[in-house]
Amino acid sequence: AQSVTQLGSHVSVSEGALVLLRCNYSSSVPPYLFWYVQYPNQGLQLLLKYTTGATLVKGINGFEAEFKKSETSFHLTKPSAHMSDAAEYFCAVAGNQFYFGTGTSLTVIP
Amino acid sequence: EPEVTQTPSHQVTQMGQEVILRCVPISNHLYFYWYRQILGQKVEFLVSFYNNEISEKSEIFDDQFSVERPDGSNFTLKIRSTKLEDSAMYFCASSSKRGLYNEQFFGPGTRLTVL
Repeated sequence: AQSVTQLGSHVSVSEGALVLLRCNYSSSVPPYLFWYVQYPNQGLQLLLKYTTGATLVKGINGFEAEFKKSETSFHLTKPSAHMSDAAEYFCAVAGNQFYFGTGTSLTVIP
Repeated sequence: EPEVTQTPSHQVTQMGQEVILRCVPISNHLYFYWYRQILGQKVEFLVSFYNNEISEKSEIFDDQFSVERPDGSNFTLKIRSTKLEDSAMYFCASSSKRGLYNEQFFGPGTRLTVL
């Protein structure tokens, strides 16, 4: 069975500071991992995904995530937060279905 | 840019009533999905649909739920007799390729409130 745990339902960072959103997964098969972002009143938008190959994946808007099998983690990072990054972020693992985490709400403080 | 659309954005209904949530997937996509998110909880998979039949469904998707692609553009989720616990945000998604490792494009959601 697959599952995802996102640590921290709310994260606040200052504009220009590092963004780190944590995601740990559980999977009985090699995982396919995703990060989605949801802006207010909009649908989920794919930020990046890991399927196979390079464990550091780069996504849109300067985000990247590193797949660490030994730690069963897929944390999302961005070196410098921008006000426009304020949104809800969801980590997901795909097995026979998509399994989402509970989401992390990112606030960027000017 | 093509996008998935959903109507209505907010639906309020009385317990026991039937509701139909509508989605228009991206036009050349062949795989369709419904998810729901109860307030404060995880986004949960409900069902996937391909070639006019259900490919996969979760334990949440019981006999009260049904999906249909009535024409070439719409994809609907019907709840026959709504319960209070059906109150949630319902997301439709579509993809062009088979396989969950492929990107799914999500609509903005329909917020269902059951009174």
